[in-house]
Amino acid sequence: EVQLVQSGAEVKKPGESLNISCKGSGYSFTNYWIGWVRQMPGKGLEWMGIIYAGDSDTSYSPSFQGQVTMSVDKSSSTAYLQWGSLKASDTAIYYCARTDSGYYDKWGQGTLLTVSS
Amino acid sequence: EIVLTQSPGTLSLSPGERATLSCRASQSVSGSYLAWYQHKPGQAPRLLIYGASSRATGIPDRFSGSGSGTDFTLTISRLEPEDFAVYYCQQYGSSPRTFGQGTKVEIK
Repeated sequence: EVQLVQSGAEVKKPGESLNISCKGSGYSFTNYWIGWVRQMPGKGLEWMGIIYAGDSDTSYSPSFQGQVTMSVDKSSSTAYLQWGSLKASDTAIYYCARTDSGYYDKWGQGTLLTVSS
Repeated sequence: EIVLTQSPGTLSLSPGERATLSCRASQSVSGSYLAWYQHKPGQAPRLLIYGASSRATGIPDRFSGSGSGTDFTLTISRLEPEDFAVYYCQQYGSSPRTFGQGTKVEIK
């Protein structure tokens, strides 16, 4: 069974750093892209960017370029989304999702991030 | 960047009724690379339609997609209780990929 399992909820303070993870199983991880999608409280889905698990080729939305970093660890079939310095406005649910053709056929369960002083 | 505008914002319907959701793009979506997703609170989004009109695996045939260019439609022929949710369109023909703002289908 194809699964994407994300790391658990996080509560952080402004200025702190963070990695959240997304572990793929049940498929050939390196043959797919992993996309990241943000959902702010009460809002819709926002496309953040994608990373190819085979060679770490990345494409960021202009809205998120420079704000986050996407990476993968092929050895553990895990993708990561990283922040160097969190802001209160980063409070959201973050989803990872798998794609090989542009649309997302499998999604992680989401990671809730709360940033508050 | 392609902006997707979904309408209406909210659709209030009863079970058994037909739902018609619209997704309009600010410029032509190449290759009809448009997908529809269903999203319920506390759950991951679920792929319904890709390529504007192809149903994803396991999606009931009451869901259908149509359209090309800048105008796309998701139709739910007869609403079941489990269909009340938020629906998003997404284009993947150009970068950055973008989502519409969503249409909420609620019980009347």
